Amino acid sequence: AQSVTQLGSHVSVSEGALVLLRCNYSSSVPPYLFWYVQYPNQGLQLLLKYTSAATLVKGINGFEAEFKKSETSFHLTKPSAHMSDAAEYFCAVSDRSAGGFKTIFGAGTRLFVKA
Amino acid sequence: EAGVTQFPSHSVIEKGQTVTLRCDPISGHDNLYWYRRVMGKEIKFLLHFVKESKQDESGMPNNRFLAERTGGTYSTLKVQPAELEDSGVYFCASSSYKNTQYFGPGTRLTVL
Repeated sequence: AQSVTQLGSHVSVSEGALVLLRCNYSSSVPPYLFWYVQYPNQGLQLLLKYTSAATLVKGINGFEAEFKKSETSFHLTKPSAHMSDAAEYFCAVSDRSAGGFKTIFGAGTRLFVKA
Repeated sequence: EAGVTQFPSHSVIEKGQTVTLRCDPISGHDNLYWYRRVMGKEIKFLLHFVKESKQDESGMPNNRFLAERTGGTYSTLKVQPAELEDSGVYFCASSSYKNTQYFGPGTRLTVL
């Protein structure tokens, strides 16, 4: 069965610093992987997705993630944090069993950005 | 193109009452999913519709939850009777076949 582990429920960085949010997955089949972001009082927004094409995936707002099969990781990075990046981030894998594509989420990582 | 919409945005009810949540998917999306996030926990899958049929309802917590999607358009999720542990945020998502799921803003349900 597919599962996702996000390391660190809270991450704090200074404005302008590197953002690194860690995600490891478990999947019995080639995975579809996603990062979603939830800004305060808003819904889930797709940041980026990996669907077996290029291993380095670029998303919106300057974020990118690299799929590393040998490490079963899909860490999210951004070179320079902005105050507006403060939000909760969810790594997710698509479970393609049962004839559907239900999404399995990690527990989420809340990103704080300090001025 | 309008996104996924959910109604209401917030609902506060007392234990034992009934609540119905509604989700309108993106037009043309045959796949509709319900998820729930209970306070402090992961976002969990509840069920999946393909058009009006339930494809997978393995995540429905118990028989107090009833989901419908008459006509394959909008969906409702009814909780009857509501219990304290049902409090949380209920998300709906839709997708075309095998494609990315687009999420709605969620309905925050509080059961007192």
